[in-house]
Amino acid sequence: AQSVSQHNHHVILSEAASLELGCNYSYGGTVNLFWYVQYPGQHLQLLLKYFSGDPLVKGIKGFEAEFIKSKFSFNLRKPSVQWSDTAEYFCAVTPYSSASKIIFGSGTRLSIRP
Amino acid sequence: NAGVTQTPKFQVLKTGQSMTLQCAQDMNHNSMYWYRQDPGMGLRLIYYSASEGTTDKGEVPNGYNVSRLNKREFSLRLESAAPSQTSVYFCASRSGLLQETQYFGPGTRLLVL
Repeated sequence: AQSVSQHNHHVILSEAASLELGCNYSYGGTVNLFWYVQYPGQHLQLLLKYFSGDPLVKGIKGFEAEFIKSKFSFNLRKPSVQWSDTAEYFCAVTPYSSASKIIFGSGTRLSIRP
Repeated sequence: NAGVTQTPKFQVLKTGQSMTLQCAQDMNHNSMYWYRQDPGMGLRLIYYSASEGTTDKGEVPNGYNVSRLNKREFSLRLESAAPSQTSVYFCASRSGLLQETQYFGPGTRLLVL
């Protein structure tokens, strides 16, 4: 079955630290990839997405993600986090073969110490 | 545009009661989704509707039914609520084109006693 794994359930960092959140998916075909963010008490918002082309994708608020096809990974990065980045982050995959279906990972809670 | 709206925002039910969660979108999207969000389990797809007139089961459909009333509206019904259905429910919509993202509603917090 298709699945998305986010191995870090809770990450705690200090402000200005660098961030990398892991995301791996299990699907052999072509996929579209997304990262969503959910700030406390809010609904999910799109952070960035990859469809094709340059595997390094830049999103909002200084976030970026790199698609490594050989590793089935789409890790999220930010060079220097801020307290306002405290949120839950979800990786998601849409297989080309099933465009309506979006599969989410279990999420990573990010806590930033001021 | 309001985007994706959900009603109610909060609801408390007793075990065995029924209720319908409403979702509407004004973006002329073809696809609509219902998710539940539980701590440590992320978002799990309950049902989705790829287009008006069609519905399909997701990961966790048991105990739920859906209706795609028209292109705008997609409701989720709990016929006989159980404490295990205590959760936050999110509706989402998407244009249906491959490269388009989902837009989420604000969520409904449901507590089943």
